[in-house]
Amino acid sequence: KQEVTQIPAALSVPEGENLVLNCSFTDSAIYNLQWFRQDPGKGLTSLLLIQSSQREQTSGRLNASLDKSSGRSTLYIAASQPGDSATYLCAVMISGNTPLVFGKGTRLSVIA
Amino acid sequence: DVKVTQSSRYLVKRTGEKVFLECVQDMDHENMFWYRQDPGLGLRLIYFSYDVKMKEKGDIPEGYSVSREKKERFSLILESASTNQTSMYLCASTSGGAYGYTFGSGTRLTVV
Repeated sequence: KQEVTQIPAALSVPEGENLVLNCSFTDSAIYNLQWFRQDPGKGLTSLLLIQSSQREQTSGRLNASLDKSSGRSTLYIAASQPGDSATYLCAVMISGNTPLVFGKGTRLSVIA
Repeated sequence: DVKVTQSSRYLVKRTGEKVFLECVQDMDHENMFWYRQDPGLGLRLIYFSYDVKMKEKGDIPEGYSVSREKKERFSLILESASTNQTSMYLCASTSGGAYGYTFGSGTRLTVV
């Protein structure tokens, strides 16, 4: 059974730092991987979607990489801002018609 | 902008009540999902549907049922609400594995 792990569970950084959030999954045979952001009490907002054939995706200050063979993905946030404070969740899809399997998230605090 | 709408942000119900949580998407997506999210447990899949009148059990279907009579609407039903069903409920949809999920803003259900 696919399991997704995100470490650390919480992270606090000063404003302006570049940071990396980690996601690992137990079965490397994935279809795609998606990163989400969740603000307290709200739903999930999609940040980046990486297909299994891709190595990375970029959107603004965010860059997500995927290494299927090692079962890892990272989300890089450049020049962090207090507005980046949220919980970031990683999720994998095993095949084209299976539901996403989620990690438990990393709660990020960016201190001004 | 594509949308998944959950009818209630906050809901308080009594033990034993029958509860309906509604989710509507305007993107003509085939696939719809219900998750619940609890502290320390992350997102867990309750039910999903790949077509009208079709439904599949997720990881924790006990105590829940679903209805999908129209493509755009996926309803989660708590047949007899219990206090252990107090949770954040999140609905999502997608047009298929090559595309990302879009989530609703969530329903915070409290059963007293």
